[in-house]
Amino acid sequence: QKEVEQDPGPLSVPEGAIVSLNCTYSNSAFQYFMWYRQYSRKGPELLMYTYSSGNKEDGRFTAQVDKSSKYISLFIRDSQPSDSATYLCGIDSGYSTLTFGKGTMLLVSP
Amino acid sequence: DAGVTQSPTHLIKTRGQHVTLRCSPISGHKSVSWYQQVLGQGPQFIFQYYEKEERGRGNFPDRFSARQFPNYSSELNVNALLLGDSALYLCASSSGSSGNTIYFGEGSWLTVV
Repeated sequence: QKEVEQDPGPLSVPEGAIVSLNCTYSNSAFQYFMWYRQYSRKGPELLMYTYSSGNKEDGRFTAQVDKSSKYISLFIRDSQPSDSATYLCGIDSGYSTLTFGKGTMLLVSP
Repeated sequence: DAGVTQSPTHLIKTRGQHVTLRCSPISGHKSVSWYQQVLGQGPQFIFQYYEKEERGRGNFPDRFSARQFPNYSSELNVNALLLGDSALYLCASSSGSSGNTIYFGEGSWLTVV
């Protein structure tokens, strides 16, 4: 079992849809949870950072963590074509090193 | 403020050659980490350096080495290149404290032919 599992997609949605992206993890030592957006042939861009169970909102983005289920989510409201990218969940056990899922490719059509 | 800067952005090497990739972290950040991202996969951790000391190493062969300089910039070296080393090499910068946010550069695209 991989430490971080993420459905690679692609996930195709129409513009304006609510998008749900998910990761599961197996290591209870994981404490800090980050979501990155990566456009084709670019470096990952930090979108959200959380460290506790619950929700954190920033504009159209909401990150949700459920430590009891080892499940994290990123919701994107009012999705735009510019949101088309690969979304990576990166999890830190506390030593500033990240374990990533494979990434989910999101395609938002106009 | 400048973000994480990496050089070169693209390079092509021949099997068996050696490559050096460079990274400058965000000003004030003392920790630099290196990741390898092959096509279709998430980044995989290679090394972490903090205050010029290696603080972590991923599951990579000894052909991979790195170092951090007094100004906190870093180099990743890969010897005896294999075709499978073709990937995007990412540098990440953080303050190094537990739980701090981690920022990535745009990466260096390495193609081994």
